[in-house]
Amino acid sequence: AQTVTQSQPEMSVQEAETVTLSCTYDTSESDYYLFWYKQPPSRQMILVIRQEAYKQQNATENRFSVNFQKAAKSFSLKISDSQLGDAAMYFCAYGGLNYGGSQGNLIFGKGTKLSVKP
Amino acid sequence: GAGVSQSPSNKVTEKGKDVELRCDPISGHTALYWYRQRLGQGLEFLIYFQGNSAPDKSGLPSDRFSAERTGESVSTLTIQRTQQEDSAVYLCASSLQTGAEAEAFFGQGTRLTVV
Repeated sequence: AQTVTQSQPEMSVQEAETVTLSCTYDTSESDYYLFWYKQPPSRQMILVIRQEAYKQQNATENRFSVNFQKAAKSFSLKISDSQLGDAAMYFCAYGGLNYGGSQGNLIFGKGTKLSVKP
Repeated sequence: GAGVSQSPSNKVTEKGKDVELRCDPISGHTALYWYRQRLGQGLEFLIYFQGNSAPDKSGLPSDRFSAERTGESVSTLTIQRTQQEDSAVYLCASSLQTGAEAEAFFGQGTRLTVV
């Protein structure tokens, strides 16, 4: 069974600085997706960035980028130029591919609470 | 609709009562998922629908939990004889198809409090 581990329950960053959130996972599959979701107090899960394991190039979305290390099963999120609006819970998630027989449900880590200091 | 809609937003119920939680997915999305999020925890997968069928119900915590989907649209999650341990946020997500290739879109959840 797949598992996702986030070892940092809380992190703090100064506004305009850079912060990295860690995530490790375990799977026996060779291809899959990894995700970072943001959950503000509104509770709605917002997709921040996604990475297909088949692709070696690290995904980037504006100020958000990932460091995907497939062999180490590591998937960290880097937030550059942190803004007050980045404060939220961040969840790392794993998803199997449909052709592999996966129903597509995501497996989540326990989350990292990010605080941004002005 | 424009997004996934869940109702009610908040629900307080007495222990032992039954509750129904509703999810309206994005139109045309065949896959629908229910998750439970206990306070300070990640999301725990409960059940998914492909169309109106739920092929795997093993994620449901107990036989007090059931779910259905009709018209490949609205889904309801029913919890019978609620217990305090059922207190959590229940999140629904939908996607065009099963498999992580298709992006899942989440609703804002229903916060259930059992007193």
